[in-house]
Amino acid sequence: EVQLVESGGRLVQPGGSLRLSCAGTGFTFSRLWVTWVRQAPGKGLEWIANINDDGSDKHCVDSLRGRFTISRDSAKSTLYLQMNNLRAEDTAVYYCAKYDIWSGFAMDVWGQGTTVIVSS
Amino acid sequence: QSALTQPRSVSGSPGQSVTISCTGTSSDVGGYNYVSWYQQYPGKAPKLMISDVSRRPSGVPDRFSGSKSGNTASLTISGLQAEDEGDYYCCSYAGPNYVFGTGTEVTVL
Repeated sequence: EVQLVESGGRLVQPGGSLRLSCAGTGFTFSRLWVTWVRQAPGKGLEWIANINDDGSDKHCVDSLRGRFTISRDSAKSTLYLQMNNLRAEDTAVYYCAKYDIWSGFAMDVWGQGTTVIVSS
Repeated sequence: QSALTQPRSVSGSPGQSVTISCTGTSSDVGGYNYVSWYQQYPGKAPKLMISDVSRRPSGVPDRFSGSKSGNTASLTISGLQAEDEGDYYCCSYAGPNYVFGTGTEVTVL
């Protein structure tokens, strides 16, 4: 079964840092682009960043560039999101997803999400 | 990059058709045939329903269809069923980034 499982979400103080992980199983993780998407409480989906198969090409939404960094360890089939200088508005459920092998531009498998709460 | 514009809510009776619009710009929806649609139930992860404007992944009922004209993409649900009630989001490639729509709540009356 193709599966993505996020971890690392927790309560963190404003200004703090956190690294989220996303483990992929049931597919060849090292061959696909993967991405992070978040959803603040009661709000819509927000695309954060993506990274190519070997980690050499990555993109991040302008508003988060400089604070958030995407990376991957394909040997461990794991995707990461390093989040620094966290703010209250970063409170959200963070999802990882992989891109569809048939359409390289749609996210066909999603994790269950991990919750980040930024509060003092 | 601003979020794509969707109606806040749409509703219909079982068996009816509803259409959700997704309006962007020539830098996203209008510039690429890479619009996808996602269904989300409360507390659950999104599910891919349509990719590449109109391609339906395996397992998605054929009552779901997608189209695009200019800077506006659309998702149509024909023969609305109770299980179609939920939130729907469009998403467009906006080279090299992506942008989601504001989301639409579908209610089955």
